[in-house]
Formats: sequence, C-alpha cells, structure tokens
Amino acid sequence: GNSVTQMEGPVTLSEEAFLTINCTYTATGYPSLFWYVQYPGEGLQLLLKATKADDKGSNKGFEATYRKETTSFHLEKGSVQVSDSAVYFCALKNSGGYQKVTFGTGTKLQVIP
Amino acid sequence: ETGVTQSPTHLIKTRGQQVTLRCSSQSGHNTVSWYQQALGQGPQFIFQYYREEENGRGNFPPRFSGLQFPNYSSELNVNALELDDSALYLCASSSGGETQYFGPGTRLLVL
Repeated sequence: GNSVTQMEGPVTLSEEAFLTINCTYTATGYPSLFWYVQYPGEGLQLLLKATKADDKGSNKGFEATYRKETTSFHLEKGSVQVSDSAVYFCALKNSGGYQKVTFGTGTKLQVIP
Repeated sequence: ETGVTQSPTHLIKTRGQQVTLRCSSQSGHNTVSWYQQALGQGPQFIFQYYREEENGRGNFPPRFSGLQFPNYSSELNVNALELDDSALYLCASSSGGETQYFGPGTRLLVL
C-alpha cells in the first residue's frame, strides 16, 4: 500500500536559516504529491503540490521537486521566518480511483528570532 | 480560507454516546472526504462520499458512518464512542481533481 515517511521533528531553526524537511514515499503508479501546513489549533492548508515527475511545486518561498528516481519530495525554503512555525505534512494521492490522501506523521518546525 | 466549514468546532462526549459532525464543502465541489487526526499524528482516511454515495473507506469500524446530501454537504456519525476516538476530525472537499481542500476541523474529546 501507499506510505509516506517524513523526517522526525521537531526542527528548530533561527530566523533566516535554510530549511529542508525530507519526505520519501512508497506508492504504485504515478501519485500526486503534496505538502500541507497546519498552524496551531487549525486545520490543514495546502502549501504546494506536484502532479508528475520532475515537477516543482512552489508557494510562499517554499519549494519541492517530485523526484521519481529517489521517490522523494523534500520541502525547502531559503530563509525561514518566525511565522513559518507550524507542522508540515507530506502527502500523496494515487491517480484515478477514489481520492484517498495518505499523509506522513508530520514535522514540527519552530523558528526562533 | 478554503470555503470548507465544519461544525461544531469543539465537542465533549462520554464513552458510549453517539456524535454527529457536519461539513459544508466548497462551492462546486461534489466530493467530501473525512479524516481522523490523533494528537501528534498525521490524518488517517476514514471514508469518502461522491454524489451522495460512499466510494472509498479506510480502516475504520462500521460504527463510523456518514452521509452526503444533495447540496454535497456531509455528516460523519460515530456510534458507541470510545476513548480512542478523541481526535481532530477533518473534512476535505474536492471536485474530481487532484487537490483536497480542508476545513478547520472539529476537536472531539471523549471522557
């Protein structure tokens, strides 16, 4: 079955530091890949997505590239801000069929001034 | 702001009781999915409704059931509540595409 593995958190960074959160996946076929963000006490917000190999998703300074050869979708940001403090979830959805999304366990990011 | 709303925002129940959670999907979306997110975990898929029919289910017992209405809003019902049902319940809507848009969730506490 499908699965998503994320790096363990929490990740603590100073403001303006470079961020990488690793994500690898196992899936049949050609899944779409997503990063969602969850701020404290809130639901999930879509951060970015990529639907095919070598696609790069980007939003709000965050980027992730769909790497089929390494089955990875690592999240990166060049300069984090305190407001980026949240839990980040990597997720996938197979094409076709019903739209079940499989999530990783989440990585908590704390950015300190 | 996704346009997906859920009610109530918080709920406290006791073991053995029944609960109904509600979701209004984003305008134009005909598919609603429900997820359970335990504390410190990623969301787990419960089931999905498409045009009022359940068309996919995760590894949850039959006491988790749902409905979708003609306006595509949805309910999640849980019978015989157990302590482990305490979680954030998330609803997501979509429209035949790749992306699911999530509501803010309902936080359920079972005592």
